[in-house]
Amino acid sequence: AQKITQTQPGMFVQEKEAVTLDCTYDTSDPSYGLFWYKQPSSGEMIFLIYQGSYDQQNATEGRYSLNFQKARKSANLVISASQLGDSAMYFCAMREGGSGTSYGKLTFGQGTILTVHP
Amino acid sequence: GAVVSQHPSWVICKSGTSVKIECRSLDFQATTMFWYRQFPKQSLMLMATSNEGSKATYEQGVEKDKFLINHASLTLSTLTVTSAHPEDSSFYICSAESDRRRTEAFFGQGTRLTVV
Repeated sequence: AQKITQTQPGMFVQEKEAVTLDCTYDTSDPSYGLFWYKQPSSGEMIFLIYQGSYDQQNATEGRYSLNFQKARKSANLVISASQLGDSAMYFCAMREGGSGTSYGKLTFGQGTILTVHP
Repeated sequence: GAVVSQHPSWVICKSGTSVKIECRSLDFQATTMFWYRQFPKQSLMLMATSNEGSKATYEQGVEKDKFLINHASLTLSTLTVTSAHPEDSSFYICSAESDRRRTEAFFGQGTRLTVV
């Protein structure tokens, strides 16, 4: 079963508008972390935002915010005021487990290619 | 912020040869490093988890003898693709974990391997 699902293979947005990239996840672990990464054509993975399962408030980082709906197991990324440089592939990822010194691997969604039009 | 350096960024090799890719954590100690493989326009697939001083843990379906991983120090992990074939051509990327900042996984720049 897919643990992280991104149902939008591609998204288009007009420059300066907001866009929401969808992500749903599946886990039975009460402790987990959700990540969003941006991957431009160069291939590097750029960390955008993190949301912990016990965090009470939605995470925000500049123009990025995470719409965390725990009961629905969704963690959508909202990009406000889109810029041409936002065109890239975006990945949602989850790390299960968070206690002690054991580190969980990151499981990635399929990715969404975002294209920002001028 | 924390930096992970991966080298080389791209490499072309002949079929049958071996290629070594290095992943270094530059300003923190990484007890755990992860190696991923990515095909064009697809997701990152975890290949193996590398723990300093112990054997790597490979994901199901990943050939241990083909993808040799060594994590000899807290700042360096290497992935060696042995007897490379054209189907091994892919984008390989590493990530490193820091004890102090678990809300972020730090990635190297990636290595684009082409086997001809």
